[in-house]
Amino acid sequence: DGGITQSPKYLFRKEGQNVTLSCEQNLNHDAMYWYRQDPGQGLRLIYYSQIVNDFQKGDIAEGYSVSREKKESFPLTVTSAQKNPTAFYLCASSVYNQPQHFGDGTRLSIL
Amino acid sequence: GENVEQHPSTLSVQEGDSAVIKCTYSDSASNYFPWYKQELGKRPQLIIDIRSNVGEKKDQRIAVTLNKTAKHFSLHITETQPEDSAVYFCAARLNRDDKIIFGKGTRLHILP
Repeated sequence: DGGITQSPKYLFRKEGQNVTLSCEQNLNHDAMYWYRQDPGQGLRLIYYSQIVNDFQKGDIAEGYSVSREKKESFPLTVTSAQKNPTAFYLCASSVYNQPQHFGDGTRLSIL
Repeated sequence: GENVEQHPSTLSVQEGDSAVIKCTYSDSASNYFPWYKQELGKRPQLIIDIRSNVGEKKDQRIAVTLNKTAKHFSLHITETQPEDSAVYFCAARLNRDDKIIFGKGTRLHILP
C-alpha cells in the first residue's frame, strides 16, 4: 500500500498544543478515513470524507478536526480539547465499495 | 447505532490446527465484510473479504463464511503456521455510505 503516506511516523504534543497529522494518497481514491487505535480497542473511526470539501464525523470526533481541500490530502488536527490523544493514528482510503488501503500510521504521545 | 462484535479477543492454537474467529454485526444494511491482519506496529493488511450476495469465499488456507439471516460472519484459517500470529480484525460496511465499522480484534497466537 505504498500509495498512502502518513507523516510524521512519531509525534509528540505538549499540553495545550494543536498538532496536525498528514495523510496523502496518490491512488486517486475518492474516500479517505482517519482511525484511532488503542490497545484492545480495535480501530475507531474519527472522521471520513467521501468527496472533496465534504466530511462526516465518525464515532469519536470530539477534540479532532479535518479538512479535505484536495482529493489527495486529508489532514487530521488533534486539538487541545482532546485530553487523551496518546494513540496510534491510521489513515485509509478507498474507491466506493472496494477495500480500504491503510497508511503506516502515526504514533502520537504527550510530552 | 452500528456495531460489530468480535470473539474471541485472544486465541491460542497449536501449529497445524485450525483457527476460527467470529463476528456479528448489528445493521442489516451492511453489504461488505473485510478481514484484516495486523502485525505489531504495522498497518492492517486486507487478507480476505466477502460481499452480501455470497455465502462463502476461500483463498488457500483462509476462508470466510457469511450468514446474512443471523448477521454473522467468520474467518477460518486452516493448517496454521507461525507467521499467522497477529491481530485479526473483522469489519462491516454499510450500504448507504462508505462508513466501515471494525471489531475490536482477535490476537491469534500460534503455539509451536
